[in-house]
Amino acid sequence: GAVVSQHPSWVICKSGTSVKIECRSLDFQATTMFWYRQFPKQSLMLMATSNEGSKATYEQGVEKDKFLINHASLTLSTLTVTSAHPEDSSFYICSATLGGTGNQPQHFGDGTRLSIL
Amino acid sequence: TQLLEQSPQFLSIQEGENLTVYCNSSSVFSSLQWYRQEPGEGPVLLVTVVTGGEVKKLKRLTFQFGDARKDSSLHITAAQPGDTGLYLCAGAQGAQKLVFGQGTRLTINP
Repeated sequence: GAVVSQHPSWVICKSGTSVKIECRSLDFQATTMFWYRQFPKQSLMLMATSNEGSKATYEQGVEKDKFLINHASLTLSTLTVTSAHPEDSSFYICSATLGGTGNQPQHFGDGTRLSIL
Repeated sequence: TQLLEQSPQFLSIQEGENLTVYCNSSSVFSSLQWYRQEPGEGPVLLVTVVTGGEVKKLKRLTFQFGDARKDSSLHITAAQPGDTGLYLCAGAQGAQKLVFGQGTRLTINP
């Protein structure tokens, strides 16, 4: 089945540090990748939609200069949390899909737990 | 933004009991997906329903999509402790975006 790998799985860093999270589709080409954030005991909230070779589309309320997304290839998207602060601590999850028409399922990575001290 | 109301948000029952989780919206979705998420992991897809009125079964789990494609339910028969987890419904909007319900945290007590 479709496998999505997310790295790192856990990050602890000081306030003000920038953190990069990678999302890779291991056995398929992902035209579209999505980035979500999940706070404790809450559901997933979509942050942005990333299409290969084009700029990401951010959801309302998500700062594009704070959360930099790059989708340079069909198998890799990265999310960089710039100048992270404690309130950015959360569980970040990516998903990847083949794209195109129809109801293509999203395949999720195992998430990255980010803790900002 | 289309919203999905999922209920109940918390459910704790004894092993062997049956349960139903509901997912409702005032909007129509092209498809609806159910996921299960374990702590510290990403969601795992259980099923996708596409056609209004569709019923899908996965062992002791039965998923139904409403006729109008606005609501869905997940029914678990004879729940087991291994069913414990966070269950999420998600509706597909245009351009493959998913909107997630609030989740149902299910605990099955031995």
